[in-house]
Amino acid sequence: DAGVIQSPRHEVTEMGQEVTLRCKPISGHNSLFWYRQTMMRGLELLIYFNNNVPIDDSGMPEDRFSAKMPNASFSTLKIQPSEPRDSAVYFCASSLGIAITFGSGTRLTVV
Amino acid sequence: AQTVTQSQPEMSVQEAETVTLSCTYDTSESDYYLFWYKQPPSRQMILVIRQEAYKQQNATENRFSVNFQKAAKSFSLKISDSQLGDAAMYFCAYRGAGGTSYGKLTFGQGTILTVHP
Repeated sequence: DAGVIQSPRHEVTEMGQEVTLRCKPISGHNSLFWYRQTMMRGLELLIYFNNNVPIDDSGMPEDRFSAKMPNASFSTLKIQPSEPRDSAVYFCASSLGIAITFGSGTRLTVV
Repeated sequence: AQTVTQSQPEMSVQEAETVTLSCTYDTSESDYYLFWYKQPPSRQMILVIRQEAYKQQNATENRFSVNFQKAAKSFSLKISDSQLGDAAMYFCAYRGAGGTSYGKLTFGQGTILTVHP
């Protein structure tokens, strides 16, 4: 199993630009999570999906953030327009049962 | 809402020695799961060990074991025979077994573990 696959691994963009982060969960997993990690706030859950349906998006910071899961094997997290304070590591994770498996993360830098 | 607290920002240990990382949590739920994740400099989040709240027996995975005290809401991680590769940030995490917290991992602030040769 290739694990949870995220792309890109690094992203540098200018303020105001649209950013799209991509995630392929582990095949067969029915839950998918997007987390953000910063020094100030630690690891925060942004949104999670169950069977491709968003269950809890209360962690999405504002309307500039949106997430989709069009099918069981793909999800995107979009930031439009991006701001310097969005700079962080964004993790995608998936699970079928109790344990949650994380991807390698995308380090986003907004300049 | 559930909270997870790791009161030790940093810990250090000599290679081959034993170290214990502390974690406390707050919840009103009776059924839940607890985890320790390791994050090395590569930033990959690696599951180290997990504990189901309904199990009284403490979980063990090779050199890693936990001391789960449900009444005290405490969940510490013991690393025996520490190795240089154990150096990382360690996160304690809580996941509810049902209700509004189901599915979500709530993390502590993390403890940086340094292993000295």
